[in-house]
Amino acid sequence: EPEVTQTPSHQVTQMGQEVILRCVPISNHLYFYWYRQILGQKVEFLVSFYNNEISEKSEIFDDQFSVERPDGSNFTLKIRSTKLEDSAMYFCASSERGVGELFFGEGSRLTVL
Amino acid sequence: QQQVKQSPQSLIVQKGGIPIINCAYENTAFDYFPWYQQFPGKGPALLIAIRPDVSEKKEGRFTISFNKSAKQFSLHIMDSQPGDSATYFCAASIEGNQFYFGTGTSLTVIP
Repeated sequence: EPEVTQTPSHQVTQMGQEVILRCVPISNHLYFYWYRQILGQKVEFLVSFYNNEISEKSEIFDDQFSVERPDGSNFTLKIRSTKLEDSAMYFCASSERGVGELFFGEGSRLTVL
Repeated sequence: QQQVKQSPQSLIVQKGGIPIINCAYENTAFDYFPWYQQFPGKGPALLIAIRPDVSEKKEGRFTISFNKSAKQFSLHIMDSQPGDSATYFCAASIEGNQFYFGTGTSLTVIP
């Protein structure tokens, strides 16, 4: 069964460092998303991406965040200067048509010290 | 503003019981209401979803009841099993736009 894969599974970084989280969406999907989940809390939308550009972003997705699709398979989330409150599980998701089911990856746990 | 409100926060039932998780939404433009199941250390996985043109949808032991006038929908798990122990999230979206998730319900099914 096709799946969304994410790397790394866990990353520990110092405050102020840059972090790149990587995702490989399902191959025939066209819509890509990043969500985050602070421990024990709800899943929060960060950004959606279609046709090589951001289609929607939340208030959380400020200037320290950026997304990129550097090639035909990867979708990345960059956090430029990490803060303690960025510690969370980051989920990548993809959708075939932008409607209906979102397929989530297993997440990348980011710990900022 | 919380677009989707979910309750209860946690739920414990005996095996065979019927846990019910409730969600309420504000935006009448929402037209897709999925429930996601999440096991520890895993990403959310779609369990079942409903659109507002039907009042109920059943898939196996999982049923969504949808009340459009009250702007509420709920998940019922029939004959619950210990393997159903997980966190359940309701969500709502307008097709093609972001999903708004509820705060999650931690379900424990006791053998």
